[in-house]
Amino acid sequence: EVQLVESGGGLVQPGGSQRLSCAASGFTFSDYAMSWVRQAPGEGLEWVSGISGSSDGTFYADSVKGRFTISRDNSKNTLYLQMNSLRAEDTALYYCAKGAGGGSYSELGYWGQGTLVTVSS
Amino acid sequence: QSVLTQPPSVSAAPGLRVTISCSGSSPNIGNNFVSWYQQLPGTAPKLLIYENNKRPSGIPDRFSGSKSGTSATLGITGLQTGDEADYYCGTWDSSLRAEVFGTGTKVTVL
Repeated sequence: EVQLVESGGGLVQPGGSQRLSCAASGFTFSDYAMSWVRQAPGEGLEWVSGISGSSDGTFYADSVKGRFTISRDNSKNTLYLQMNSLRAEDTALYYCAKGAGGGSYSELGYWGQGTLVTVSS
Repeated sequence: QSVLTQPPSVSAAPGLRVTISCSGSSPNIGNNFVSWYQQLPGTAPKLLIYENNKRPSGIPDRFSGSKSGTSATLGITGLQTGDEADYYCGTWDSSLRAEVFGTGTKVTVL
């Protein structure tokens, strides 16, 4: 059974940093591209970032480019999102999601339960 | 601001059919597969449709997808109260080099 479990959310001050983790199980982690998707309170879905299975490809939404860094450790089956220079508008529930095989960032067939990041003073 | 536009809401009585449109452009819908997601209140999104019109295992055939040019459509037939949810389209945008989601549509069963 595929499982994705996010952690690392919490309250952080504007300008601060936070690192999110996503522990994956139930599939061959290194074979799949992974994504982070966020949802601000009462708002729609926003894709944040994606990384290929071998980490040779990383992509970001314009809204986080230069501030967020996605990475993965295939030996630990874990996905990360390092978030720096956080702003109030980064407040959201952050989901990790598994894409279809073959390096696709679409067809997000499995999602975690999300971890809440609140940016506030 | 999303590059994919959906109607904010659609509604119909139980048993009837609704359709949800997703309008994009050449770099996204025009040249890439479209997926559809259902998000029930308080839960994570769930993949309903992939590659424009394919259903993952376990998704009933009441849900269907289609694509024409730079637009896509999700159809739900035999509407049930359990279908009340937010629905999002999604696709890769080759110009932005990013996955993009639609603005979302709330389905209400009258």
